[in-house]
Amino acid sequence: KAGVTQTPRYLIKTRGQQVTLSCSPISGHRSVSWYQQTPGQGLQFLFEYFSETQRNKGNFPGRFSGRQFSNSRSEMNVSTLELGDSALYLCASSGGQRLNEKLFFGSGTQLSVL
Amino acid sequence: AQTVTQSQPEMSVQEAETVTLSCTYDTSESDYYLFWYKQPPSRQMILVIRQEAYKQQNATENRFSVNFQKAAKSFSLKISDSQLGDAAMYFCAYGSAQGAQKLVFGQGTRLTINP
Repeated sequence: KAGVTQTPRYLIKTRGQQVTLSCSPISGHRSVSWYQQTPGQGLQFLFEYFSETQRNKGNFPGRFSGRQFSNSRSEMNVSTLELGDSALYLCASSGGQRLNEKLFFGSGTQLSVL
Repeated sequence: AQTVTQSQPEMSVQEAETVTLSCTYDTSESDYYLFWYKQPPSRQMILVIRQEAYKQQNATENRFSVNFQKAAKSFSLKISDSQLGDAAMYFCAYGSAQGAQKLVFGQGTRLTINP
């Protein structure tokens, strides 16, 4: 079974631009979560999608958004990029019967904002 | 809100020896999961071990075991017979069984293995 796939692996953008990151979950998983990892703030929850609906959202500004498609693939978008958005963005999928029973992570997208 | 605290930013151990990483958490929930994830330089978060709060028995996975003290809200990871490949960042994480689908992570412990 293929794992969680995130594309691209690396991305360089300039301030003010927007960016879209992609995540393909493990086949059969319906929940996709996104996390931001920075040296200062650590790992922080962005949002979670389940069956194309945003089910949970963390404390991030509205510039951070996402969506999920009918095949469970998910995208997250960051508009009007700021230097502080430079981070590793991790995606995790799950398909268990219970919340948070087992999450599987991808290798992340490293975003650098110049 | 739940919090997770890892008080050891860095740890080191000699190859083949045993090391214990500490983690404490705070929650008012009775049903939850606790995890240890490993993040090597490849960046992928790899699940090391998982503990279900309603189970008294400590989880074990080969050389990895936990000491889960529910009343004390403590969840430490013991790595036996440390190997060079164990070198990585280790994150303790909390997941609610009835709340939101999300993990709350500690700040991580960087583990170095000395040959």
